[in-house]
Amino acid sequence: AQSVTQLDSQVPVFEEAPVELRCNYSSSVSVYLFWYVQYPNQGLQLLLKYLSGSTLVKGINGFEAEFNKSQTSFHLRKPSVHISDTAEYFCAVEGSNYQLIWGAGTKLIIKP
Amino acid sequence: NAGVTQTPKFQVLKTGQSMTLQCAQDMNHEYMSWYRQDPGMGLRLIHYSVGAGITDQGEVPNGYNVSRSTTEDFPLRLLSAAPSQTSVYFCASSAPGTGQGQYFGPGTRLLVL
Repeated sequence: AQSVTQLDSQVPVFEEAPVELRCNYSSSVSVYLFWYVQYPNQGLQLLLKYLSGSTLVKGINGFEAEFNKSQTSFHLRKPSVHISDTAEYFCAVEGSNYQLIWGAGTKLIIKP
Repeated sequence: NAGVTQTPKFQVLKTGQSMTLQCAQDMNHEYMSWYRQDPGMGLRLIHYSVGAGITDQGEVPNGYNVSRSTTEDFPLRLLSAAPSQTSVYFCASSAPGTGQGQYFGPGTRLLVL
């Protein structure tokens, strides 16, 4: 069965510092991988996705993620975070029946 | 395009009452789904549909019914509300196999007393 593990439930980081949010997946088939962002009291918004091709994927708001097939990882990075990046971030992989298999989420906490 | 819309935004129910959460999308997506989100639990799939007339259970279907009579609409029915159903409910839609990911509605916050 496919699964997604987000290794950190919370990541505190100082403003303007770099950040990495970790995601590992298990899948026996070709993968579509996604990162979503949920700002406080809002719905989920697609941040970026990996379908095929270049392993470095760029998304909105300066985020990028790197697909690593050998390590089955899809870590999310941003070189310099802003207070407005405070949110919860979810990693997901598309499974059977087009369902998304979700990680538990990582709360990004920006310290001034 | 309005995308995915959900109504109501917020609802308070008493235990035992029934209600329907509405979800509609105008993107002609075949796939639609309902999730609930609880603190520390991430997103859990309640029911999903791969097209009009076809629905299936997700991870936590008990206490909920769905139907899909049209491509656009996918209502979620709570048959007899319980306090354990207090949650935030999200509807999502997607075009299967395109890799576009799912589009989410703004959510319905439900409180069952």
